[in-house]
Amino acid sequence: DAGVTQSPTHLIKTRGQHVTLRCSPISGHKSVSWYQQVLGQGPQFIFQYYEKEERGRGNFPDRFSARQFPNYSSELNVNALLLGDSALYLCASSALDRARYEQYFGPGTRLTVT
Amino acid sequence: SQQGEEDPQALSIQEGENATMNCSYKTSINNLQWYRQNSGRGLVHLILIRSNEREKHSGRLRVTLDTSKKSSSLLITASRAADTASYFCATALNDYKLSFGAGTTVTVRA
Repeated sequence: DAGVTQSPTHLIKTRGQHVTLRCSPISGHKSVSWYQQVLGQGPQFIFQYYEKEERGRGNFPDRFSARQFPNYSSELNVNALLLGDSALYLCASSALDRARYEQYFGPGTRLTVT
Repeated sequence: SQQGEEDPQALSIQEGENATMNCSYKTSINNLQWYRQNSGRGLVHLILIRSNEREKHSGRLRVTLDTSKKSSSLLITASRAADTASYFCATALNDYKLSFGAGTTVTVRA
């Protein structure tokens, strides 16, 4: 079975631009979560979606938004990029809707904002 | 805010030695999870220990949990070069949010 996939792998953007990151969960998983990991730190929670509904949002500005599609894939959008948005963006899927269950992570998208 | 904090921040050991890292957390938990991350890529789930368990094993991994001290430890026995990675503990702050510590970076020298 394919694991969680994310695209693109790497991305370079300029300040002020917009970016869309994509995630495909493991087949059968209905929960998708997004995390931001700045170099040298642990992942920080951004969003969780389950059955196409937003279940939780972390402490991120409104420039960050996400959605989940009928096939359970997900997009993370970031507007008006700042230098501080440079990070590894991780997507995780789970068969269940609770964060306390095992999460399966994708390889991440490395975003560099210049 | 981070729920878990790992200690030490970095660890360097010789191949074949054991590696021990600790995690402290702040609030009551349902369970605690440990993840591994190689070279800034995706995280891999290693082991989950429930709040009513004190010790759990998986291959060369041994995890302990002390809920009275709000702490957990991860022991890797007979380390290998492939164990070189960052290790994170994670707890669910609520139904949807998994909170990670800053991690322990383990380097296994040949």
